[in-house]
Formats: sequence, structure tokens, C-alpha cells
Amino acid sequence: GEDVEQSLFLSVREGDSSVINCTYTDSSSTYLYWYKQEPGAGLQLLTYIFSNMDMKQDQRLTVLLNKKDKHLSLRIADTQTGDSAIYFCAELNTGNQFYFGTGTSLTVIP
Amino acid sequence: GAVVSQHPSRVICKSGTSVKIECRSLDFQATTMFWYRQFPKKSLMLMATSNEGSKATYEQGVEKDKFLINHASLTLSTLTVTSAHPEDSSFYICSAGEGPLAKNIQYFGAGTRLSVL
Repeated sequence: GEDVEQSLFLSVREGDSSVINCTYTDSSSTYLYWYKQEPGAGLQLLTYIFSNMDMKQDQRLTVLLNKKDKHLSLRIADTQTGDSAIYFCAELNTGNQFYFGTGTSLTVIP
Repeated sequence: GAVVSQHPSRVICKSGTSVKIECRSLDFQATTMFWYRQFPKKSLMLMATSNEGSKATYEQGVEKDKFLINHASLTLSTLTVTSAHPEDSSFYICSAGEGPLAKNIQYFGAGTRLSVL
């Protein structure tokens, strides 16, 4: 299968911006996603981006896609303690296969 | 957004017993649902694609006879772990898609924590 990689941990101070990075290997990705998983809960879709877009902004969230480098990032502005969670990136390819990253555990320090 | 309900949220069972997990799309019809397994500190692994009214499509390495999937209606898919063993202990998550982008935009259930003693 394809590889989707993320750093396992990230710590930021409350009020700062968080940037979570993701790299993938699939050349035939169509959509790329960011999901949030709070402790004991399922995955919540945060945002997604079409593979032919470079950037998408949704309130405090900014997604950047560098298709050439196969690099996806999620920036959370003014990070709050409620943003502490595990963030998964995922990609969907033309074969309708989902591939998830390992998840990045974000800790927001008050 | 669309709501996907998964039940039970947690189940503890003895080795050798079978466990059924339900996944329901509450406010939309889902012709396709997906079942994932999450390993500790690892990413989600797609187990199978569940299509309403037909047999599920299993990923390579997933035992069909072990993980029985039924998708009897447009709002309900079930995963039955048959003759569960301790190595089946995991977090199982279902997802469903809505509308014309059904396979592209996925909404996830809250997951089921299975512990096999």
C-alpha cells in the first residue's frame, strides 16, 4: 500500500499557531483530508482539499498542499486547549482507496 | 454534518465468543460503508468496504470468515467478529459517505473498543 507519514507528537502553547505536517507517496491522490480524534471518540472530519488545489482556509484552519513534493500541512491559528487531540491526514486515490497517516498527537500547553 | 452512530462503544468478551458491531447512518442513506481497525500508535487500516445489498469487499489479509460484514439496508451495516481471540482486541471504526461524493467524504462513527479476554 501507499505510505502516509506524520510526526507522532507536537506541543504548542495556547494562542500560538500549530502546524501539522503530512507526506504521502501516492501519485494518484484525488482528495486529501484532515481528521481530528479526541480521546475515546471517533474521527471528526475537519477539512479536505482537492488534489488540484494549493490552499484551503476554513476559519482557524489552513490547509496547504504541495503536490509536487507530496506534502500536506494543517495550520491551526490561535490554538486552544480544546484543540488537543490526535490529527490524522488521509488521502483518497483514483482507485477509491483511503490511506491514513499514523496520526499526530497535539498537546496544547496553557 | 452527517451523523454516523456506532454501537456498542465498548465491549468485553471471552475468547471464543462472537461480537456484533453496528454502524448506522442516522440522517442520510449510505450505499457504501467502510470498516477500519485502529492499532495502538498506528494508523487506521481499512478492513473492508460494505455495499448495500451485496457482498463486502475485503482488503488483502483480512479474513472474511473471521470478520463478517452485512449491509442489509441503506442505513445499517454490521461487523461480526466471530470466535474472537485476544489478538482481535482493537478499536474498530466504521464510516459512511453521503451524497454524490459518498466515497470521497467520509463521516466516522465513534468507534468500538473490543477487548477479548
